[in-house]
Amino acid sequence: DTAVSQTPKYLVTQMGNDKSIKCEQNLGHDTMYWYKQDSKKFLKIMFSYNNKELIINETVPNRFSPKSPDKAHLNLHINSLELGDSAVYFCASSLRGARTQYFGPGTRLTVL
Amino acid sequence: GENVEQHPSTLSVQEGDSAVIKCTYSDSASNYFPWYKQELGKRPQLIIDIRSNVGEKKDQRIAVTLNKTAKHFSLHITETQPEDSAVYFCAATGTDSWGKLQFGAGTQVVVTP
Repeated sequence: DTAVSQTPKYLVTQMGNDKSIKCEQNLGHDTMYWYKQDSKKFLKIMFSYNNKELIINETVPNRFSPKSPDKAHLNLHINSLELGDSAVYFCASSLRGARTQYFGPGTRLTVL
Repeated sequence: GENVEQHPSTLSVQEGDSAVIKCTYSDSASNYFPWYKQELGKRPQLIIDIRSNVGEKKDQRIAVTLNKTAKHFSLHITETQPEDSAVYFCAATGTDSWGKLQFGAGTQVVVTP
Protein backbone atom coordinates (compact mmCIF):
# COMPACT_ATOMS: atom_id res chain seq x y z
CA ASP A 1 0.00 0.00 0.00
CA THR A 2 1.25 3.49 -0.82
CA ALA A 3 0.94 5.53 2.32
CA VAL A 4 2.44 7.34 5.24
CA SER A 5 2.97 4.94 8.13
CA GLN A 6 3.97 5.50 11.75
CA THR A 7 5.13 3.28 14.58
CA PRO A 8 4.10 2.74 17.24
CA LYS A 9 0.38 3.50 17.14
CA TYR A 10 0.18 3.77 20.92
CA LEU A 11 2.91 4.67 23.38
CA VAL A 12 2.38 4.70 27.15
CA THR A 13 5.34 5.64 29.28
CA GLN A 14 6.44 7.18 32.55
CA MET A 15 7.56 10.76 33.09
CA GLY A 16 11.26 11.21 32.58
CA ASN A 17 11.63 8.42 30.03
CA ASP A 18 12.98 8.84 26.49
CA LYS A 19 10.98 7.57 23.52
CA SER A 20 11.03 7.61 19.73
CA ILE A 21 8.36 7.62 17.05
CA LYS A 22 9.12 6.55 13.49
CA CYS A 23 7.55 7.63 10.22
CA GLU A 24 7.95 6.32 6.71
CA GLN A 25 6.37 7.31 3.42
CA ASN A 26 6.47 5.50 0.09
CA LEU A 27 4.71 8.21 -1.91
CA GLY A 28 7.95 9.52 -3.39
CA HIS A 29 7.55 12.82 -1.52
CA ASP A 30 10.53 15.00 -0.64
CA THR A 31 9.14 16.85 2.38
CA MET A 32 8.02 15.42 5.71
CA TYR A 33 6.44 16.99 8.79
CA TRP A 34 5.67 16.35 12.43
CA TYR A 35 2.45 17.74 13.92
CA LYS A 36 1.18 17.64 17.48
CA GLN A 37 -2.57 17.37 18.14
CA ASP A 38 -3.50 18.23 21.69
CA SER A 39 -6.54 17.18 23.70
CA LYS A 40 -8.57 20.03 22.19
CA LYS A 41 -7.81 18.68 18.71
CA PHE A 42 -5.63 21.64 17.77
CA LEU A 43 -3.10 20.68 15.08
CA LYS A 44 0.24 22.45 15.31
CA ILE A 45 3.31 21.94 13.17
CA MET A 46 6.52 21.11 15.00
CA PHE A 47 9.16 20.32 12.38
CA SER A 48 9.62 19.81 8.67
CA TYR A 49 12.39 18.28 6.59
CA ASN A 50 12.99 18.68 2.87
CA ASN A 51 15.41 16.16 1.37
CA LYS A 52 16.87 15.46 4.82
CA GLU A 53 17.34 19.16 5.59
CA LEU A 54 15.49 20.79 8.51
CA ILE A 55 13.40 23.62 7.06
CA ILE A 56 10.75 24.29 9.72
CA ASN A 57 11.60 24.31 13.40
CA GLU A 58 8.80 25.78 15.45
CA THR A 59 9.02 26.83 19.09
CA VAL A 60 9.31 23.34 20.50
CA PRO A 61 11.25 22.33 23.64
CA ASN A 62 14.71 21.08 22.75
CA ARG A 63 13.77 17.77 24.38
CA PHE A 64 12.21 17.06 20.98
CA SER A 65 14.73 16.13 18.29
CA PRO A 66 13.73 15.12 14.78
CA LYS A 67 15.99 13.14 12.51
CA SER A 68 15.64 12.31 8.83
CA PRO A 69 18.00 9.56 7.65
CA ASP A 70 16.64 9.85 4.12
CA LYS A 71 13.76 11.62 2.41
CA ALA A 72 11.39 8.69 2.99
CA HIS A 73 11.89 8.57 6.77
CA LEU A 74 11.43 11.05 9.58
CA ASN A 75 11.82 10.11 13.23
CA LEU A 76 11.01 12.01 16.39
CA HIS A 77 12.93 11.44 19.59
CA ILE A 78 11.66 12.88 22.85
CA ASN A 79 13.85 13.10 25.95
CA SER A 80 12.75 13.45 29.56
CA LEU A 81 9.04 13.07 28.80
CA GLU A 82 6.63 15.33 30.66
CA LEU A 83 2.89 15.04 31.34
CA GLY A 84 2.24 17.88 28.87
CA ASP A 85 3.78 15.86 26.06
CA SER A 86 0.72 13.61 26.05
CA ALA A 87 -0.91 14.10 22.66
CA VAL A 88 -1.35 12.51 19.27
CA TYR A 89 1.65 13.03 17.01
CA PHE A 90 1.06 12.96 13.29
CA CYS A 91 3.62 12.61 10.57
CA ALA A 92 2.79 14.00 7.12
CA SER A 93 4.48 14.23 3.75
CA SER A 94 4.20 16.23 0.56
CA LEU A 95 5.96 17.16 -2.65
CA ARG A 96 7.56 20.58 -2.26
CA GLY A 97 5.83 22.12 -5.25
CA ALA A 98 2.43 20.43 -4.81
CA ARG A 99 1.95 21.34 -1.14
CA THR A 100 -0.85 18.83 -0.55
CA GLN A 101 0.05 17.03 2.65
CA TYR A 102 -0.84 13.43 3.43
CA PHE A 103 -1.01 12.38 7.05
CA GLY A 104 0.05 9.20 8.79
CA PRO A 105 -2.29 7.35 11.19
CA GLY A 106 -0.90 9.09 14.26
CA THR A 107 0.85 7.96 17.44
CA ARG A 108 -1.05 8.45 20.68
CA LEU A 109 1.51 9.23 23.37
CA THR A 110 0.40 9.01 27.00
CA VAL A 111 2.82 10.11 29.70
CA LEU A 112 1.95 8.91 33.21
CA GLY B 1 3.10 34.73 10.83
CA GLU B 2 -0.18 33.38 9.54
CA ASN B 3 -3.18 33.14 11.86
CA VAL B 4 -6.30 31.20 10.88
CA GLU B 5 -9.60 31.54 12.71
CA GLN B 6 -12.39 29.02 12.19
CA HIS B 7 -16.08 29.20 13.06
CA PRO B 8 -18.21 27.69 14.40
CA SER B 9 -16.48 25.32 16.79
CA THR B 10 -19.45 22.96 16.72
CA LEU B 11 -22.21 22.54 14.17
CA SER B 12 -25.28 20.33 14.43
CA VAL B 13 -27.32 19.76 11.30
CA GLN B 14 -30.23 17.59 10.32
CA GLU B 15 -29.49 14.96 7.70
CA GLY B 16 -30.12 16.42 4.27
CA ASP B 17 -29.49 20.02 5.32
CA SER B 18 -26.43 22.06 4.35
CA ALA B 19 -23.44 22.86 6.56
CA VAL B 20 -21.17 25.89 6.22
CA ILE B 21 -17.84 26.41 7.98
CA LYS B 22 -16.00 29.72 7.71
CA CYS B 23 -12.33 30.60 8.10
CA THR B 24 -10.41 33.84 8.01
CA TYR B 25 -6.67 34.24 7.54
CA SER B 26 -4.31 37.08 8.31
CA ASP B 27 -1.43 36.80 5.82
CA SER B 28 -2.30 38.21 2.40
CA ALA B 29 0.62 36.20 0.94
CA SER B 30 -1.18 32.91 1.71
CA ASN B 31 -2.24 31.25 -1.52
CA TYR B 32 -3.15 27.65 -0.74
CA PHE B 33 -6.16 26.68 1.38
CA PRO B 34 -6.87 22.99 2.08
CA TRP B 35 -9.70 21.48 4.09
CA TYR B 36 -9.19 18.31 6.09
CA LYS B 37 -11.76 15.93 7.60
CA GLN B 38 -10.83 13.96 10.70
CA GLU B 39 -13.06 11.16 11.90
CA LEU B 40 -12.79 10.03 15.49
CA GLY B 41 -9.48 8.28 16.11
CA LYS B 42 -8.37 8.65 12.50
CA ARG B 43 -5.89 10.76 10.58
CA PRO B 44 -6.81 14.12 8.98
CA GLN B 45 -7.67 13.53 5.33
CA LEU B 46 -7.72 16.13 2.61
CA ILE B 47 -11.22 16.56 1.20
CA ILE B 48 -10.81 19.64 -0.99
CA ASP B 49 -8.38 22.48 -1.53
CA ILE B 50 -8.32 25.80 -3.36
CA ARG B 51 -5.56 28.04 -4.62
CA SER B 52 -5.70 31.81 -4.64
CA ASN B 53 -6.14 32.10 -8.39
CA VAL B 54 -9.55 30.39 -8.10
CA GLY B 55 -12.69 31.74 -6.41
CA GLU B 56 -14.68 28.55 -6.06
CA LYS B 57 -14.15 24.82 -6.39
CA LYS B 58 -16.70 22.02 -6.17
CA ASP B 59 -16.43 18.26 -5.76
CA GLN B 60 -19.79 16.48 -5.60
CA ARG B 61 -21.47 17.56 -2.34
CA ILE B 62 -18.62 19.73 -1.08
CA ALA B 63 -17.51 23.14 -2.30
CA VAL B 64 -15.05 25.75 -1.17
CA THR B 65 -15.21 29.48 -1.83
CA LEU B 66 -12.40 31.99 -1.43
CA ASN B 67 -12.62 35.76 -1.02
CA LYS B 68 -9.06 37.09 -1.24
CA THR B 69 -10.07 40.67 -0.61
CA ALA B 70 -11.78 39.83 2.66
CA LYS B 71 -9.26 37.06 3.43
CA HIS B 72 -11.82 34.44 4.15
CA PHE B 73 -12.76 31.06 2.75
CA SER B 74 -15.64 28.71 3.44
CA LEU B 75 -16.52 25.03 3.18
CA HIS B 76 -20.02 24.12 2.06
CA ILE B 77 -21.44 20.62 2.44
CA THR B 78 -24.82 20.00 0.83
CA GLU B 79 -27.26 17.14 1.46
CA THR B 80 -25.42 16.14 4.62
CA GLN B 81 -25.29 12.49 5.61
CA PRO B 82 -24.43 10.82 8.95
CA GLU B 83 -21.01 9.85 7.55
CA ASP B 84 -20.21 13.56 7.21
CA SER B 85 -20.00 13.71 11.02
CA ALA B 86 -16.37 14.53 11.86
CA VAL B 87 -14.04 17.38 12.79
CA TYR B 88 -13.23 19.64 9.85
CA PHE B 89 -10.08 21.76 9.72
CA CYS B 90 -9.27 24.62 7.42
CA ALA B 91 -5.65 25.62 6.81
CA ALA B 92 -3.60 28.19 4.95
CA THR B 93 -0.07 28.47 3.65
CA GLY B 94 1.97 30.67 1.34
CA THR B 95 4.33 29.92 -1.50
CA ASP B 96 7.50 30.70 0.40
CA SER B 97 6.60 29.05 3.68
CA TRP B 98 7.91 25.57 2.83
CA GLY B 99 4.42 24.14 3.10
CA LYS B 100 3.94 25.28 6.69
CA LEU B 101 0.20 24.79 7.16
CA GLN B 102 -1.44 26.98 9.76
CA PHE B 103 -4.59 25.16 10.87
CA GLY B 104 -7.83 26.55 12.21
CA ALA B 105 -9.07 25.20 15.54
CA GLY B 106 -11.50 22.78 13.91
CA THR B 107 -15.29 22.43 13.66
CA GLN B 108 -17.06 19.40 15.11
CA VAL B 109 -19.91 18.60 12.71
CA VAL B 110 -22.69 16.33 13.92
CA VAL B 111 -25.27 15.16 11.40
CA THR B 112 -28.37 13.75 13.04
CA PRO B 113 -30.62 11.34 11.11
